[in-house]
Amino acid sequence: DAKTTQPDSMESTEGETVHLPCSHATISGNEYIYWYRQVPLQGPEYVTHGLQQNTTNSMAFLAIASDRKSSTLILTHVSLRDAAVYHCILRSQGTGSKLSFGKGAKLTVSP
Amino acid sequence: EAAVTQSPRSKVAVTGGKVTLSCHQTNNHDYMYWYRQDTGHGLRLIHYSYVADSTEKGDIPDGYKASRPSQENFSLILELASLSQTAVYFCARKVFFGKGTRLTVV
Repeated sequence: DAKTTQPDSMESTEGETVHLPCSHATISGNEYIYWYRQVPLQGPEYVTHGLQQNTTNSMAFLAIASDRKSSTLILTHVSLRDAAVYHCILRSQGTGSKLSFGKGAKLTVSP
Repeated sequence: EAAVTQSPRSKVAVTGGKVTLSCHQTNNHDYMYWYRQDTGHGLRLIHYSYVADSTEKGDIPDGYKASRPSQENFSLILELASLSQTAVYFCARKVFFGKGTRLTVV
């Protein structure tokens, strides 16, 4: 019962800005939008999260639509190290709520 | 941020044997989770715990037990390992994941 929809894959070239879309049309008012990324043989790495306002950190910019039914993770000046599977996940308010992972979107970065 | 440390990092177990996977956190956070990941698939929640001496079932608890003897430690136990339990297992606290344990059951 995936609550988010992402493309299966996206491609980019080093130095570009990448926009990773996520649709979450049935998001609840108390659900945060979390983004993780995972590379082979490693655990998921937290990227960012947000509730309603756009957020930014050293890894990425998260743009959240005003109706919260979609979001976009924006990676600037991507490098080969940004190649990973990116997961967009909804998580209820409260640190105890679990994360439900889907297949995510595989980002390929070419030199 | 404090680490989530898993041990062992890899293990080969025989069918029917008992396997214990360990997870340790250093930040005294309340919630801890165990997930499994099969090749080419997303993570699925097995068990979780919000306080020492208490565990809860996740989405796929069958064949697994969990133990939280202290706030820092959370173990996943396979009493009778089966071939279908070959996977990579991840422990997590808050938003942070361990590096995983690759379990192969033969």
